Amino acid sequence: SQQGEEDPQALSIQEGENATMNCSYKTSINNLQWYRQNSGRGLVHLILIRSNEREKHSGRLRVTLDTSKKSSSLLITASRAADTASYFCATGQAAGNKLTFGGGTRVLVKP
Amino acid sequence: NAGVMQNPRHLVRRRGQEARLRCSPMKGHSHVYWYRQLPEEGLKFMVYLQKENIIDESGMPKERFSAEFPKEGPSILRIQQVVRGDSAAYFCASSPDLQSYEQYFGPGTRLTVT
Repeated sequence: SQQGEEDPQALSIQEGENATMNCSYKTSINNLQWYRQNSGRGLVHLILIRSNEREKHSGRLRVTLDTSKKSSSLLITASRAADTASYFCATGQAAGNKLTFGGGTRVLVKP
Repeated sequence: NAGVMQNPRHLVRRRGQEARLRCSPMKGHSHVYWYRQLPEEGLKFMVYLQKENIIDESGMPKERFSAEFPKEGPSILRIQQVVRGDSAAYFCASSPDLQSYEQYFGPGTRLTVT
């Protein structure tokens, strides 16, 4: 297994439904970030949660972090077709440090 | 404020040729990271540079790959004698300083080795 593994690998939902994806990691972290990647494009930063935080919200996004279980979840509420993308979690050991990415969850939101 | 710029966006090389990938970080950013993404996979860290210094190259293959970030100009990722296994998307990210957690990604360069 690798640091930062997402589950499920793929998710298909109807517009308006919620999408939940999980990320597990192995080593201690300073922060965990979620990124979105549209097909063939670069990554867009969505949200960052620090190791001393348990939950964070940004618009329709909700991220939780459980450091005792070394896991995080990303919830997208009221999904839209434009949310169709791959979502990656990435962990960092410190500021100004490399990120370790998981394999991603491919989300398809059907209109 | 322009984002991270990478060029070329697409690069085709024959086996044995050299590939040069360029990355211009966001204005004011002095930290550059290179990542590689194979099809259907996540990004893998390659190298972290500051101006004129390589800070962490733990993800770089031992041979054929090199990176630089000169005082003036873009960061360059150079792959010599490319092989088919080098075909991937190469992403550059930048951050402003050591206190920043978030990295800003460029659109990537898709390298195809024929």
